[in-house]
Formats: sequence, C-alpha cells, structure tokens
Amino acid sequence: AQSVTQLDSHVSVSEGTPVLLRCNYSSSYSPSLFWYVQHPNKGLQLLLKYTSAATLVKGINGFEAEFKKSETSFHLTKPSAHMSDAAEYFCAGGLYNFNKFYFGSGTKLNVKP
Amino acid sequence: NAGVTQTPKFQVLKTGQSMTLQCAQDMNHEYMSWYRQDPGMGLRLIHYSVGAGITDQGEVPNGYNVSRSTTEDFPLRLLSAAPSQTSVYFCASSPLRGTEAYGYTFGSGTRLTVV
Repeated sequence: AQSVTQLDSHVSVSEGTPVLLRCNYSSSYSPSLFWYVQHPNKGLQLLLKYTSAATLVKGINGFEAEFKKSETSFHLTKPSAHMSDAAEYFCAGGLYNFNKFYFGSGTKLNVKP
Repeated sequence: NAGVTQTPKFQVLKTGQSMTLQCAQDMNHEYMSWYRQDPGMGLRLIHYSVGAGITDQGEVPNGYNVSRSTTEDFPLRLLSAAPSQTSVYFCASSPLRGTEAYGYTFGSGTRLTVV
C-alpha cells in the first residue's frame, strides 16, 4: 500500500533554533515527494519537491529536505526558525498513481519567542 | 493572476440542503481534484478528473457529485448536506503530464458548516 506518514502532529521550537519535521513514505516505486505549508485560514503553498534528481532539495524561505531511500524518509529542516514559520506543514507524495496524491496528516509548527 | 479560484469562501447550510462549490482554474491544467480537510486527518481526496468528461472517485466520495464539462471548471455538488460534511474544502489542479514534477496548485478553500 502507498502511504505518507508524518511522525509528529505538533512540534514546538524556539525562534532561532533548528526545525525538523519528519515524513516517511511507503511505496513500491520511486516516489515524487512534496512539502506544503498552510498558514491559518489559507490554502496550501508548495515549499519544495523531490522528483528523483538531487536528493537534497532546497525550497522557499530557507527550508530544505533530504530524500533518503534507505530510510524511506523525506524530512523537512530549517537551520533557524522564524516566528513567521508557525503554520501547519503537510508532506505529500505521488506514490505510483500520480493522479492521486497521498497526504500526511500534517504537523503543526509552533515557534516560541 | 493565474491560479485556482474557489467560491464561496464560507457557507452555512442546513441539514438536507444541497449546494455546489465552484472551482475554476486558468492554467489549462488537465488534472483537477477536490479534497476535504478535517482536524488531525490531513487532506482526503473526494473526487478527481483527468480531463473534460472524465471523473473518478477518491477516498471519500459518498455524498458528493462532480462533473467536468470544460477544462477550466470542476464543481463539487453536495446532494443532501449532513453535519459530517462540515469541513474545509480545497480544489487543486495540475498538468496531467508532469504532476510528479509540478505538484498541485491549490485554491484558497471553502469553509462549509452544516447545521
């Protein structure tokens, strides 16, 4: 079965400290993987995407993610959190049938001053 | 600005009423889809379409109908609203060839409350 799993429903960090949001996938095929961000009462905005090119992917606002096939992971990181990063983050994948994206359940990031 | 436009942004329905959520895109994307977002459950696919005249069911299709008469529009119909359909609804689109490269473009959502 194809699936995307976000391992933490809530993550809380202090401003200026690193951010790590975890995502694992399950697929028999090479996936395309994405991270989206959703600010309160807004739609989803694409942060970054992995499409079988470089395994380290850089996105907007200083975020990056590394595709690790051996660990079936695609974790999102940022070296230094900013207050404006507080939002909900979704990992998603086109895992074989690209007509059906699979979304994780989301991780809410809280950034403390 | 090019993108996905959803209307209305907010709606309150009474149980049993019907309504249509509108979605339009001006990017000539073949693929369009509807998701619902509920707390702790992420986004769940309701219906999708790979082109005009072609639709298919997603994970949670019951209680919803769709049609795709043009490339641009993909309306979602609630046949007889139930409180369980209270949710935020998102429309998304993508090029069909290249979804894996582009990902989805999302609308800003419709917040529906059924009382």
